[in-house]
Amino acid sequence: GENVEQHPSTLSVQEGDSAVIKCTYSDSASNYFPWYKQELGKRPQLIIDIRSNVGEKKDQRIAVTLNKTAKHFSLHITETQPEDSAVYFCAALYTGTASKLTFGTGTRLQVTL
Amino acid sequence: GAGVSQSPSNKVTEKGKDVELRCDPISGHTALYWYRQSLGQGLEFLIYFQGNSAPDKSGLPSDRFSAERTGGSVSTLTIQRTQQEDSAVYLCASSLGLAGVSEQYFGPGTRLTVT
Repeated sequence: GENVEQHPSTLSVQEGDSAVIKCTYSDSASNYFPWYKQELGKRPQLIIDIRSNVGEKKDQRIAVTLNKTAKHFSLHITETQPEDSAVYFCAALYTGTASKLTFGTGTRLQVTL
Repeated sequence: GAGVSQSPSNKVTEKGKDVELRCDPISGHTALYWYRQSLGQGLEFLIYFQGNSAPDKSGLPSDRFSAERTGGSVSTLTIQRTQQEDSAVYLCASSLGLAGVSEQYFGPGTRLTVT
């Protein structure tokens, strides 16, 4: 099955700085990589995703990059704001079982003033 | 429209008792997923349904865990003879189609505490 590792587990940045969270996956057949944001006490919400036929995707201050050869993908948040503070989860879709997302262990991002 | 709902929001139970957790997916969503989130951990896949059938039960931790879905809508996750290690937040998600095709929408979760 798929295995997803996520780093760092915690990240503190100053407001306005950039934040980068990295994930690696094990199954080269995985082809879909979403990122979820979970604010304290709330449900996870999809913020951006990327498919294996694309190397980079941007949505305003958020971008995701994918390196299929190295089997890693990253979330980039620019010009961070206090409301970006949350736990972020990466995931990979293991096509072997058609519909099973494997999640990383999460990164707690704290944006300080 | 209404999102995914789960009940109860909190459940405290004694070790050895059975519990039943409920998930109401978004209307029309054919796929439904159950995950477990332990403190400080990621989301652990438990089971998913396509319609009323469960093609993948590989994530269920033990035979004490079971789930069913009826009418292609509501799903219940049952944990028999609960243990303290079952304490976690149980999240349900639904999607219009399978993962990778359609976005998964999560419910608010049920926080289970086994004393």
